Amino acid sequence: EVQLVESGGGLAKPGGSLRLSCAASGFTFSLFSMNWVRQAPGKGLEWVSTISTSGKDIYYAASVKGRFTLSRDNAKNSVYLQMNSLRAEDTGVYYCLRTMDVWGQGTTVIVSS
Amino acid sequence: DIQMTQSPSSLSASVGDTVVITCRASEDVRIYLAWFQQKPGKPPKSLIFASSSMQRGVPSRFSGSGSGTDFTLTISSLQPEDFATYYCQQYLHSPYNFGQGTELEIK
Repeated sequence: EVQLVESGGGLAKPGGSLRLSCAASGFTFSLFSMNWVRQAPGKGLEWVSTISTSGKDIYYAASVKGRFTLSRDNAKNSVYLQMNSLRAEDTGVYYCLRTMDVWGQGTTVIVSS
Repeated sequence: DIQMTQSPSSLSASVGDTVVITCRASEDVRIYLAWFQQKPGKPPKSLIFASSSMQRGVPSRFSGSGSGTDFTLTISSLQPEDFATYYCQQYLHSPYNFGQGTELEIK
């Protein structure tokens, strides 16, 4: 079964850091680009970042560029989102997405003092 | 950046109806357009990619069409489980923006 499992969410203070992980299983991970999408409480979906199959090409939303870093480890079938300088507006559910089809269940990030 | 605009923002319909949701891109995205369905408290579900290609397991009452800047998602013979929020997303050029969503409610 194709599956994505996110972890690493939680409560962080403004200016703090969190590292989200997404563990993939059931498919050849290295063949797929991967994404993070977030959703603030009561709001729509917001694309955050995408990483190519090799990890060479990475794209960020303007709202997170310079603060978030996306990486992947194809040997571990995982993708990671390092989130620094967190702000209240980063609060929400963060979803890992295999490009265009499979979604994880999400992990919740709350940024609050 | 390419902006995605969905219409309507909300829609009321009855079981058995056919509904059409529109997504407009601010510039040409060719057929690099996907549709997603989300129910409250759940992750989104992928419905359509490349404007009109169905994801595996999606009922045939869902269909997508369009190219360039104008796209539609049509749901024929609405079922109770179809009442949800629908999003489009372009994936031609970063940032891969979503539309603001269309909430489909039961009349």
